[in-house]
Amino acid sequence: NAGVTQTPKFQVLKTGQSMTLQCAQDMNHNSMYWYRQDPGMGLRLIYYSASEGTTDKGEVPNGYNVSRLNKREFSLRLESAAPSQTSVYFCASSEVQGVDTQYFGPGTRLTVL
Amino acid sequence: GESVGLHLPTLSVQEGDNSIINCAYSNSASDYFIWYKQESGKGPQFIIDIRSNMDKRQGQRVTVLLNKTVKHLSLQIAATQPGDSAVYFCAENYDNAGNMLTFGGGTRLMVKP
Repeated sequence: NAGVTQTPKFQVLKTGQSMTLQCAQDMNHNSMYWYRQDPGMGLRLIYYSASEGTTDKGEVPNGYNVSRLNKREFSLRLESAAPSQTSVYFCASSEVQGVDTQYFGPGTRLTVL
Repeated sequence: GESVGLHLPTLSVQEGDNSIINCAYSNSASDYFIWYKQESGKGPQFIIDIRSNMDKRQGQRVTVLLNKTVKHLSLQIAATQPGDSAVYFCAENYDNAGNMLTFGGGTRLMVKP
């Protein structure tokens, strides 16, 4: 039981490049989330998926898109990376949305030059 | 190492002492709260949660206290160990629909041997 896994662990992009961050969970959770974490700040929600087939914007969705590929997988895409998107990105999952414990992956450290 | 939390408040305690980490939350309508621990280079790890119909909950070496009157949450760690050194975040389900968790900025706990 690996929990929540994320790939890649590290990535460096040039401004304007695109990339997709992958996330998978093996806990049969219904809800999945993408957060970003910047120095001196807490986690901020980018997008979430309450259940398979649905996605919704969080606090900071601009510049990102998501896909809930199936119940296990939830990907985050940067279509045209900007330096302001340099951050550590965490994926999380929970059995139900909102009032339930979220379990986090190890994170992807992204640098945009 | 992890660059998250360069300007975080820091609590320094002696090994074996008890630690108390405090958190002020935002929304009087929040009804679910979680404490997470984040070690350098890792994702947040669930410690303990509490619902608003309780004012205290105990786990192994940890206790969470909730004071709804002043919107205050605290995490008490008994007999603090070097392995407890990390950044600790509180989170509340801020959204009135119960859709999102909102995270605080975090406190860095440093345990001196």
